[in-house]
Amino acid sequence: EAGVTQSPTHLIKTRGQQATLRCSPISGHTSVYWYQQALGLGLQFLLWYDEGEERNRGNFPPRFSGRQFPNYSSELNVNALELEDSALYLCASSVGTGNSPLHFGNGTRLTVT
Amino acid sequence: LAKTTQPISMDSYEGQEVNITCSHNNIATNDYITWYQQFPSQGPRFIIQGYKTKVTNEVASLFIPADRKSSTLSLPRVSLSDTAVYYCLVGDIRTGTASKLTFGTGTRLQVTL
Repeated sequence: EAGVTQSPTHLIKTRGQQATLRCSPISGHTSVYWYQQALGLGLQFLLWYDEGEERNRGNFPPRFSGRQFPNYSSELNVNALELEDSALYLCASSVGTGNSPLHFGNGTRLTVT
Repeated sequence: LAKTTQPISMDSYEGQEVNITCSHNNIATNDYITWYQQFPSQGPRFIIQGYKTKVTNEVASLFIPADRKSSTLSLPRVSLSDTAVYYCLVGDIRTGTASKLTFGTGTRLQVTL
């Protein structure tokens, strides 16, 4: 079974630009979650998508947005990049039950210069 | 307000049993307790999940007392490859608030010879 895949692995942008990160969930998983992990810190919840709808959102500004496509893959967009947006962005997927564990990809390392 | 509390770091020698405790005083009736392991520059990996009493799988055991206000991850006979950060996550993902989807700072386990 293929795991959660994320692309690109690394992304370098300059301040003010936009970044687009992509995630393909495990086959059969309908929920996708996005997390931000700044260097040396824990995982901060960003967004949760299920069946194409945004279900929950963490404490992040509106310039962090995303969407989920009919094939359950997902995209995270970060507009007007700031230096502090530099982090590892992790995507996870799960099946559609309340206690189903999250399965993570290895992330996209975003560097804003 | 932190939802879960774990020790910041722990040290162990190879071959010893390691117990990592997570406090979650505000756990709700529907909440499950899930533990993850994370290596540097990788996404967290699911270890074990439980609701009450004891759960065991091929890599770990999870002990949950009757009041469910804490849980203990037990790693038998750790090896150098178990050096990682361990997170506990408490919540029913599909019905919880965003705060339930946020990981704490985790416990950094260092295993030496």
